[in-house]
Amino acid sequence: QSALTQPASVSGSPGQSITISCTGTSSDVGNYNLVSWYQQHPGKAPKVMIYEVSKRPSGLSNRFSGSKSGNTASLTISGLQAEDEADYYCCSYAGSSTWVFGGGTKLTVL
Amino acid sequence: QLQLQESGPGLVKPSETLSLTCTVSGGSMSSSSYYWGWIRQPPGKGLEWIGSIYYSGSTYYNPSLKSRVTISVDTSKNQFSLKLSSVTAADTAVYYCARLDWLLYYFDYWGQGTLVSVSS
Repeated sequence: QSALTQPASVSGSPGQSITISCTGTSSDVGNYNLVSWYQQHPGKAPKVMIYEVSKRPSGLSNRFSGSKSGNTASLTISGLQAEDEADYYCCSYAGSSTWVFGGGTKLTVL
Repeated sequence: QLQLQESGPGLVKPSETLSLTCTVSGGSMSSSSYYWGWIRQPPGKGLEWIGSIYYSGSTYYNPSLKSRVTISVDTSKNQFSLKLSSVTAADTAVYYCARLDWLLYYFDYWGQGTLVSVSS
């Protein structure tokens, strides 16, 4: 069970859109539509932003969206805002009640 | 509002066993819709799922840690616990407990995390 692969960092200006990729294998991302995305601000616990690839928890901004193609899932944030600056982690079900996280991506809002 | 709180020693010696407890308040652990898990994050690094437990006691572990991990539950106290044996400096991390919604397949409630350092 290897960690999912994410870019170490991405950046964008306020108002722009960015996309973070999350690449796994046919044993995790590619085999289940059970990818979730978490936002983590420094010193805080992670917070779910997307689940089941593209669903948003109640009350969360529709600026966050998710998708998947093959073994790669993606998180898109549109209309970037300063408060979006954080670390983002993907997570996938990997079968047999096990889970695997990505290495994390640091989003910088310029 | 559901709350999770980790507790345990912040410093463990190499080769010893790390022990943490997560106390759940504001809800019962005995619901069939949830699993309860441990996730860790080494300083400056990413998240790693350690394992999960169902209220019935069924456990599931990260294959890379399985030989050293034991997770248990005490529903009468609304607590679940983590034991990680033979620790090394590589086990230094913030340890989070979290609830896994088994219907929606995501970790929806998290504790604040507790830093455990492994050092002599």
